[in-house]
Amino acid sequence: AQKVTQAQTEISVVEKEDVTLDCVYETRDTTYYLFWYKQPPSGELVFLIRRNSFDEQNEISGRYSWNFQKSTSSFNFTITASQVVDSAVYFCALSEPGRGADGLTFGKGTHLIIQP
Amino acid sequence: EAGVAQSPRYKIIEKRQSVAFWCNPISGHATLYWYQQILGQGPKLLIQFQNNGVVDDSQLPKDRFSAERLKGVDSTLKIQPAKLEDSAVYLCASSLDRVGYGYTFGSGTRLTVV
Repeated sequence: AQKVTQAQTEISVVEKEDVTLDCVYETRDTTYYLFWYKQPPSGELVFLIRRNSFDEQNEISGRYSWNFQKSTSSFNFTITASQVVDSAVYFCALSEPGRGADGLTFGKGTHLIIQP
Repeated sequence: EAGVAQSPRYKIIEKRQSVAFWCNPISGHATLYWYQQILGQGPKLLIQFQNNGVVDDSQLPKDRFSAERLKGVDSTLKIQPAKLEDSAVYLCASSLDRVGYGYTFGSGTRLTVV
């Protein structure tokens, strides 16, 4: 069963538009962690945010914001006033350390294209 | 702080050959992970080490893949014999502890099997 679903395979917007990347997860654990990573064309995985299951407070970091809703098992990521440099593949990931191992389960990623 | 080091950066081999990848985690990081990222997909965990012990290798194809982490520091991932479907980027990551503290990824090794 897929544990992290990123239904949007590719999104293309014009620079300065706002864009939201969706992430839906599945877990039976009460303690878990959710992550977002950015993978630019160069290939490295860049950490963006980590959120634990007990903290539903939304977070804003500059142009980035995250909306965590346990009721819908979603952890969505919004970029405000997008820029060309935001073009990348974005991955949502889940860690369930209660099972004795805390390796990440990644979604398939959303390819974000910001057109000038 | 130095990042997670991986080598080689690229590797091209013929099917049925063997190949090995090396990873040196961030100093002091007890937990080390190997992921496989096939083109167009998210990374998939292959194996997790805590110091020099295996915590999770449930997704490691053990008939052809092996990994070790001697002395609890650097690690080697081996494929023998390689298949065409093993073409992927192999990512190493390390973490300070096992409670989702945070993971630092290396730049990866891109393997092409022809």
